[in-house]
Amino acid sequence: RKEVEQDPGPFNVPEGATVAFNCTYSNSASQSFFWYRQDCRKEPKLLMSVYSSGNEDGRFTAQLNRASQYISLLIRDSKLSDSATYLCVVNDYKLSFGAGTTVTVRA
Amino acid sequence: ETGVTQSPTHLIKTRGQQVTLRCSSQSGHNTVSWYQQALGQGPQFIFQYYREEENGRGNFPPRFSGLQFPNYSSELNVNALELDDSALYLCASSLDGSSSYEQYFGPGTRLTVT
Repeated sequence: RKEVEQDPGPFNVPEGATVAFNCTYSNSASQSFFWYRQDCRKEPKLLMSVYSSGNEDGRFTAQLNRASQYISLLIRDSKLSDSATYLCVVNDYKLSFGAGTTVTVRA
Repeated sequence: ETGVTQSPTHLIKTRGQQVTLRCSSQSGHNTVSWYQQALGQGPQFIFQYYREEENGRGNFPPRFSGLQFPNYSSELNVNALELDDSALYLCASSLDGSSSYEQYFGPGTRLTVT
């Protein structure tokens, strides 16, 4: 079983829509989780950390469900600039990445 | 910009050759991690260097080796290149070797093996 698994998508949504996707992780002892964003042929950039209580950063909401070992990301009021690949990451001193979920926001 | 730099940007090598990739960490960071990202995949952890010592290794063969220098810059060396080594190689620097600190990525080196 892979350490981190994500729905690859792609999710193709109109501007203004809400899109949500999950990832699952295999190590129940993992403590630190992130969402990274990666634009085509660029390096990954930290989007947000994921806290146990859930957290929001503007239009982005991250949730953690430890019992089921999954992490979710919700994007509200999608913008064209949100088009990217979103990488789910578990940090156990090394970062374990999922393969990414591709989101395309269309005008 | 993260302050992490990598060189070269692009590289084309032939199967069987050797390659050295370089990474300069962000000022004040003593930890560098290296990742390999194949097309359509997420980055895969190769190894991490903390204060010039290897501090963990992923599932990569010994022909992948590294160094960290006193100024905390780092090199990734790959011997006997194979076609499957074609990928984006990313380095990331962080303040410490623990999981508590954010890792900042450089722009990557795109290696093509023919």
